[in-house]
Amino acid sequence: DIQMTQSPSSVSASVGDRVTITCRASQDISRWLAWYQQKPGKAPNLLIYDASSLRSGVPSRFSGSGSGTDFTLTISSLQPEDFASYYCQQTTSFPLTFGPGTKVEIK
Amino acid sequence: EVQLLESGGALVQPGGSLRLSCAASGFTFSTYALTWVRQAPGKGPEWVSILSSGGDTTYSADSVKGRFTISRDNSKNTLYLQMNSLRVADTAVYYCAKYLFGDRVHHGFDIWGQGTMVTVSS
Repeated sequence: DIQMTQSPSSVSASVGDRVTITCRASQDISRWLAWYQQKPGKAPNLLIYDASSLRSGVPSRFSGSGSGTDFTLTISSLQPEDFASYYCQQTTSFPLTFGPGTKVEIK
Repeated sequence: EVQLLESGGALVQPGGSLRLSCAASGFTFSTYALTWVRQAPGKGPEWVSILSSGGDTTYSADSVKGRFTISRDNSKNTLYLQMNSLRVADTAVYYCAKYLFGDRVHHGFDIWGQGTMVTVSS
């Protein structure tokens, strides 16, 4: 199975800050990576697919990059509605696996 | 509006069975692969099982193989998860979700239901 790790596990930031979250796969997954945002009590929401493709309707302050084993999700200017947990997911092979998550908290 | 709505979650004893349903609307159900993902309290999501649009290809996590069966009825726009031999470790919110692009597996899940809670406890 492909193991996914994320760092940091949590980050405290202020509105307007630039936030970067890193995701690493235990083996080469090419560009088959998705990023999700999840707010308490809600289902995950797809933000980015294929490592860098922004899902329709997602604000452009979200961006993704990377390939192979190392990936990043960047929020260019944090907004109040962005305080949430973020998960990466490899979509290259079964079992599909998620990272442990990064919680973005208000500083 | 594209929507998925799960039902069937309940409190069940270890060793018991439960069937979850996921009713879809707002898209051509028969052309999309669908999946179940669960999330234990305070934990991250865990992928459970997937079924192709035609119902002929399925994959499941090792943790549920031999106990959980995914199925679909394209005439009713409904996805199912039959869960047998339930364990305390199966306690979670169960979400159904659809693939972003048909049966193409590499692109993530774009529409999720609101989830249904399954609690396995004596």
